[in-house]
Amino acid sequence: TQLLEQSPQFLSIQEGENLTVYCNSSSVFSSLQWYRQEPGEGPVLLVTVVTGGEVKKLKRLTFQFGDARKDSSLHITAAQPGDTGLYLCAGAAPGAGSYQLTFGKGTKLSVIP
Amino acid sequence: KAGVTQTPRYLIKTRGQQVTLSCSPISGHRSVSWYQQTPGQGLQFLFEYFSETQRNKGNFPGRFSGRQFSNSRSEMNVSTLELGDSALYLCASTRQDPIYGYTFGSGTRLTVV
Repeated sequence: TQLLEQSPQFLSIQEGENLTVYCNSSSVFSSLQWYRQEPGEGPVLLVTVVTGGEVKKLKRLTFQFGDARKDSSLHITAAQPGDTGLYLCAGAAPGAGSYQLTFGKGTKLSVIP
Repeated sequence: KAGVTQTPRYLIKTRGQQVTLSCSPISGHRSVSWYQQTPGQGLQFLFEYFSETQRNKGNFPGRFSGRQFSNSRSEMNVSTLELGDSALYLCASTRQDPIYGYTFGSGTRLTVV
């Protein structure tokens, strides 16, 4: 069974601060996905990284996939209240019939104005 | 284009009853997966359907079942409901394979009393 550990579990910061969320595993993944979920809604896909060492930027968000494809990080620059939500990482690995995703338990981010 | 539609949004059932949840994927998406989300366990994979066939299955008891129709719409059924089945049930779809990510619906909030 593959596990993804996310840290920290909770994060409360002031508007304008920077933060990093980590997603770690002992397993190798074919891709690593990051989602953001708001209360009462389903997760929304932010980015997918597939190559070891890959870095992707989405405005103030920077995503990195570890060289060994076992870990990933999400860095937010100058956080804004609109960034508040639950951030989930998910790793894809070959399953019985297709790729199967394993989700971390999430990092709950609160950005205080 | 229309997103993933789940019905109903909210449901209250009594222990021992059964329930059926419905999911309409994005047009052209043939893979539909179901997840259970609880505060303690996070997102846990139930099963995935592709072209009316179950392609992957998680570690849930046989009380949880699903199916997919020829138009890719999917249903999941939970029989003999238990209090612990209270959760947000999320449906997600993708064109072929979840390696590049899912589009999630808003979920069905099931409360068992």
